[in-house]
Amino acid sequence: GIQVEQSPPDLILQEGANSTLRCNFSDSVNNLQWFHQNPWGQLINLFYIPSGTKQNGRLSATTVATERYSLLYISSSQTTDSGVYFCAVSSGTYKYIFGTGTRLKVLA
Amino acid sequence: GAGVSQSPRYKVTKRGQDVALRCDPISGHVSLYWYRQALGQGPEFLTYFNYEAQQDKSGLPNDRFSAERPEGSISTLTIQRTEQRDSAMYRCASSSATGAGELFFGEGSRLTVL
Repeated sequence: GIQVEQSPPDLILQEGANSTLRCNFSDSVNNLQWFHQNPWGQLINLFYIPSGTKQNGRLSATTVATERYSLLYISSSQTTDSGVYFCAVSSGTYKYIFGTGTRLKVLA
Repeated sequence: GAGVSQSPRYKVTKRGQDVALRCDPISGHVSLYWYRQALGQGPEFLTYFNYEAQQDKSGLPNDRFSAERPEGSISTLTIQRTEQRDSAMYRCASSSATGAGELFFGEGSRLTVL
């Protein structure tokens, strides 16, 4: 089955810093989502982005499907950005496979 | 409803008891998923419904686990004779598409088996 790798596994930032999170996948996909799991355990939708670029406030994402990766950019990070960021992909079926996540801690 | 609703949010049970976890998807969403998430891991697929039809149950760990969605809306995940290894966060998601599309997750049901 499709493999999803996220990097870095852990990231510590000072408030105000920028960061880039990466998601690599082993096969072509037709669905890709980024989620933020906050410290209370909620999984929050960030982007549905099987291809192209999207922006939402301080966050943006780019998926290059032909090269099998997606990037999530966080600018001017805030302490509320802390948590785990998951990439999830689906390859021609209904089943999403999740990566192991990037654990982000933003320090005040 | 406005979002995916799961209940109970927290469940503590003794080994050997049966538990039922409920999911009420977003109104009109045809696809419903159950995932399980162990501490420090990403969610893992359990089962998928398209309307009331359970089209994939390949992720259910063993025959103690079952799920139903009899009217194509609310779903119940049942775990019989619970074991400590069943302790995890159980997450339900729904989608308006038949076959993936954008998933929306509920807040999850945290199960602890003593």
